[in-house]
Amino acid sequence: DAGITQSPRHKVTETGTPVTLRCHQTENHRYMYWYRQDPGHGLRLIHYSYGVKDTDKGEVSDGYSVSRSKTEDFLLTLESATSSQTSVYFCAISESWGDHSNQPQHFGDGTRLSIL
Amino acid sequence: AQSVAQPEDQVNVAEGNPLTVKCTYSVSGNPYLFWYVQYPNRGLQFLLKYITGDNLVKGSYGFEAEFNKSQTSFHLKKPSALVSDSALYFCAVRISGAGSYQLTFGKGTKLSVIP
Repeated sequence: DAGITQSPRHKVTETGTPVTLRCHQTENHRYMYWYRQDPGHGLRLIHYSYGVKDTDKGEVSDGYSVSRSKTEDFLLTLESATSSQTSVYFCAISESWGDHSNQPQHFGDGTRLSIL
Repeated sequence: AQSVAQPEDQVNVAEGNPLTVKCTYSVSGNPYLFWYVQYPNRGLQFLLKYITGDNLVKGSYGFEAEFNKSQTSFHLKKPSALVSDSALYFCAVRISGAGSYQLTFGKGTKLSVIP
């Protein structure tokens, strides 16, 4: 398994509070991604990073921000959590050699986030 | 725009029988296609990919997939199903090219292999 650690693995919080999820990799991969998984929707991209301090929005980025100050860490922040952000969040990484778009992404085991 | 359809929410198959999980895609440009498997409380695991060349792609755990450009399909297959193959399967598509970051997933197909 790729060296990807997500923390925390489970979190329960209240509406309106800020929440930060962490993804840590030991593979030195350039690309990192945050997805959310919801029943009936598959996985949807929230934000991605193509290098340190280089990030961009995915298809469901509203209400989320990210930061990447080091190659190995990619943080996802819910600025003011809402019940609609209750989901399972996955981090993924991929290599950058050659045509990076044909490199498979490797996933962490997810964070289950419940917002009450 | 790119999209993936997995027309079956659930597929049931008897152990030892061949299995097929269907996937069709829509993309403007040359596609890169992927299959992933997810076991309960785990992340997605990469099974195989199609980039170019031979339309039959072989992957992990005895799985293979057939790329059909005219039908825009990329169905996952295995000659003989195992109970341990029971899981959630996702097809995904990406446009080829250095500027492409978006990997679009289907909604998933739950495979149940019955002993």
